Amino acid sequence: SYVLTQPPSVSVAPGKTARISCGGNNIGSKSVHWYQQKPGQAPVLVMYFDSDRPSGIPERFSGSNSGNTATLTISRVEAGDEADYYCQVWGSSSDHQWVFGGGTKLTVL
Amino acid sequence: EVQLVESGGGLIQPGGSLRLSCAASGFTVSSSYMSWVRQAPGKGLEWVSTIYSGGTTYYADSVRGRFTISRDNSKNTLYLQMKSLRAEDTAVYYCANLRGTWYFDLWGRGTLVTVSS
Repeated sequence: SYVLTQPPSVSVAPGKTARISCGGNNIGSKSVHWYQQKPGQAPVLVMYFDSDRPSGIPERFSGSNSGNTATLTISRVEAGDEADYYCQVWGSSSDHQWVFGGGTKLTVL
Repeated sequence: EVQLVESGGGLIQPGGSLRLSCAASGFTVSSSYMSWVRQAPGKGLEWVSTIYSGGTTYYADSVRGRFTISRDNSKNTLYLQMKSLRAEDTAVYYCANLRGTWYFDLWGRGTLVTVSS
C-alpha cells in the first residue's frame, strides 16, 4: 500500500515561515490533502487538492505538490498554529484505501 | 447546523464486540460518502472504513473481516460494528464525511474505545 512520510517535528519562531513536507512515491501525480489537529480536538481540513483552502482557513496557509514531495507552508506563523499536521491521499480507483502520513508536530518557539 | 456526533465507545474486553454510532445533522448520510477514522493514544490518524452512497464498502486490512460499516437512513446515522476486538483497536474513533472519494471535510468529536481486560 501507498506510504506517506512526514517529519515528526518542525519548529519555527513566531512570524517566520513553516514548511511541512509529505513524501511519497510520485506523490505529484496524486491529490494531497492536509489536516490540522490541536490537542483533544478532532482534525480540521486546512488544504485540499494540493493547494485549495477551505473557507475560514487563513491565506497564510498554502500548499504545493510536485515530484515525490508535497508541502504545506504556513507563513507568518502564530502561536495558535501550534498543532499536529497530517497529509492524506486517496490510493486509487483500483485500491480504495485512504492513507494518512504519520503526522508532524509544529512547535512555535 | 451541519455536524456529526459519535457515541457507543467504552471499555471492552479483548475478543468482545461493540457498535459505534454517528448521528448526522444538517445533511443526509445516505447521499454522502461516510467514513470511520481512528487514532490510537499518542499516535497518528488511521483510516478504518468507508461506505459510498450506493452502499459499496471498503475496509483497512487491519480490520477487514472483523468490522462492518453500515447506515440507517431513517435515523440518518452511520454505524461501525466491531467484533473480535484486540488491544491494538484501542483508539478514538472519528466518523467523517468524505468529499467525493478524496478528502474528509467534516469530522465528529470522536468516541474512545478501550480494549483491555
